[in-house]
Amino acid sequence: AQKITQTQPGMFVQEKEAVTLDCTYDTSDPSYGLFWYKQPSSGEMIFLIYQGSYDQQNATEGRYSLNFQKARKSANLVISASQLGDSAMYFCAMRELSSNDYKLSFGAGTTVTVRA
Amino acid sequence: DSGVTQTPKHLITATGQRVTLRCSPRSGDLSVYWYQQSLDQGLQFLIQYYNGEERAKGNILERFSAQQFPDLHSELNLSSLELGDSALYFCASSVAGITDTQYFGPGTRLTVL
Repeated sequence: AQKITQTQPGMFVQEKEAVTLDCTYDTSDPSYGLFWYKQPSSGEMIFLIYQGSYDQQNATEGRYSLNFQKARKSANLVISASQLGDSAMYFCAMRELSSNDYKLSFGAGTTVTVRA
Repeated sequence: DSGVTQTPKHLITATGQRVTLRCSPRSGDLSVYWYQQSLDQGLQFLIQYYNGEERAKGNILERFSAQQFPDLHSELNLSSLELGDSALYFCASSVAGITDTQYFGPGTRLTVL
């Protein structure tokens, strides 16, 4: 079963505007971590932001914030004041902490294109 | 720059061949993870090592093997290569394991002809 679902294959956003990337997850583990990574066209995977399942507040890192709605099992990434350099593929990922498995499970990704 | 290095950056080889991908983790990181990114399968976890020992195994084929050496660098060996093994192979590292952020290297793009 798919653990991470990203329903938006591609999005366009105007420079300086905010964009929200959707991510829903499926787990029965009470302890888990949610991550967002950015993959520019050059191919590297860049860590953006982390949210723990027991964190009381939504995570923020500069222009990135995570809208964590635990009951709905969603962890949407908000990029504020978009820049041309934000054009990339964005992946949502989850790690379930109670399993012996340390892997990250990734969604299919969302391509963001920032227009000038 | 994440601090994780991978070599080579690109690799082109033929079916049936064997290749070795190398990864050096960030300074101080004990855990190394290998992932495969392909168009049809997306990003898939292959295997994890912690301080020289295998810790977790994912969707890794029997033709693939990995190890982590005493200096903590890791190698992923792919043998009897098939066209479908063409992918971007990432190494990631973290300080210890389960609660830590994984930082990814730049990847090795493998093309099997």
